[in-house]
Amino acid sequence: EPEVTQTPSHQVTQMGQEVILRCVPISNHLYFYWYRQILGQKVEFLVSFYNNEISEKSEIFDDQFSVERPDGSNFTLKIRSTKLEDSAMYFCASSPRRTGTEAFFGQGTRLTVV
Amino acid sequence: DQQVKQNSPSLSVQEGRISILNCDYTNSMFDYFLWYKKYPAEGPTFLISISSIKDKNEDGRFTVFLNKSAKHLSLHIVPSQPGDSAVYFCAASGAGTASKLTFGTGTRLQVTL
Repeated sequence: EPEVTQTPSHQVTQMGQEVILRCVPISNHLYFYWYRQILGQKVEFLVSFYNNEISEKSEIFDDQFSVERPDGSNFTLKIRSTKLEDSAMYFCASSPRRTGTEAFFGQGTRLTVV
Repeated sequence: DQQVKQNSPSLSVQEGRISILNCDYTNSMFDYFLWYKKYPAEGPTFLISISSIKDKNEDGRFTVFLNKSAKHLSLHIVPSQPGDSAVYFCAASGAGTASKLTFGTGTRLQVTL
């Protein structure tokens, strides 16, 4: 069964450093997303991406965040200067259509900022 | 901004009995609702969904009911099994530019023997 894969599974970084989280969405999907879950809180939408551009972003997705689909298969989330409060599980997701369908999630990357 | 609420943080049910998980929403623009199941250190796994034009959708042991006038949906699991023990998230999406999901806070279901 096709699945969304994320690497690394766990990333520890020092405050102020840049991190790149990587995702390989399901191959025939067209819509891509990043979500995050801070420990004990709900899963929150960060950004959606379609046709090589951002479709929508939340207020969390500020200038320190960026997304890219560099080679037609990978989908990356970059955090330019990490803060302690960026520590969370980051989930990549993809879906085949814009609406009326489920999104398929990866297993997540646990980001720990120290 | 709690557009999707799950008021019960936890639920314990005996194996074989029915589990009922509830979810309320406030945004009338939502037109598609989903339930996800999540184990620790894993991503959410899709369970079942329902469009706003329906009031019930069934898939095996899982049934989702939607009451649009009350802005309420529920997930029924019958019969409950120990492997169903997980956190269940209700999520909703609207007819926007992309189907971003708004999640509830989750209900931890424990199915006991």
